Amino acid sequence: EVQLVESGGGLVQPGGSLRLSCAASGFAFSDHYMDWVRQAPGKGLEWVGRTRNKANSFTTEYGASVKGRFTISRDESKNSLYLQMNFLITEDTAVYYCVRTTWTQPRLYGMDVWGQGTTVTVSS
Amino acid sequence: DIQLTQSPSSLSAFVGDTVTITCRASQINRNYVAWFQQKPGKAPKSLIYAGSSLQSGVPSRFSGSGSGTDFSLTISSLQPEDFGIYYCQQYDAYPLTFGQGTRLEIK
Repeated sequence: EVQLVESGGGLVQPGGSLRLSCAASGFAFSDHYMDWVRQAPGKGLEWVGRTRNKANSFTTEYGASVKGRFTISRDESKNSLYLQMNFLITEDTAVYYCVRTTWTQPRLYGMDVWGQGTTVTVSS
Repeated sequence: DIQLTQSPSSLSAFVGDTVTITCRASQINRNYVAWFQQKPGKAPKSLIYAGSSLQSGVPSRFSGSGSGTDFSLTISSLQPEDFGIYYCQQYDAYPLTFGQGTRLEIK
């Protein structure tokens, strides 16, 4: 069974740091792009960033609101995705979802599997 | 950035009805548009990719279409479990962006 399980959320003060993890199972992790998407309380979905697959050298992309503060990484030996969040601000308060993206010819399915999410609250 | 505008913002329909949600992109070159369903307190679920292709396991009453900058999601023979918020998303260009969502209520 394909599964994504996020962890690491919690309460952090403004200016602080937090690292989220996402454990992947049931599929060939290295073959897939992986995304982080967040959702502030009562709001819509916002793309945070992406790491590409092994064939594309695990390169990364970020949304403007987090670029320079957040870093996405992955550990193929642990089938895990990470989101290092620094210089957190109150606007970063959200549920953070780990999302699998299938993007290898001919399987260009986009975002196809979502984790259950982990909650980050930035508050003093 | 590509802006996505969904309409309507909310709608209400009866079981058995057919409903359509539209998503207009400010600009887009390819039909890399996806649709997601989200129920309260749950993670989004992927429904449609590439404008009109069904993700694995999604019921055939869901369909997508579109061309140019206008895309739509149609749900035929509405079922009680189809309530929730529906989002479109473009993955034609970075940054990836989502529409603001359409809330569907079952009467």
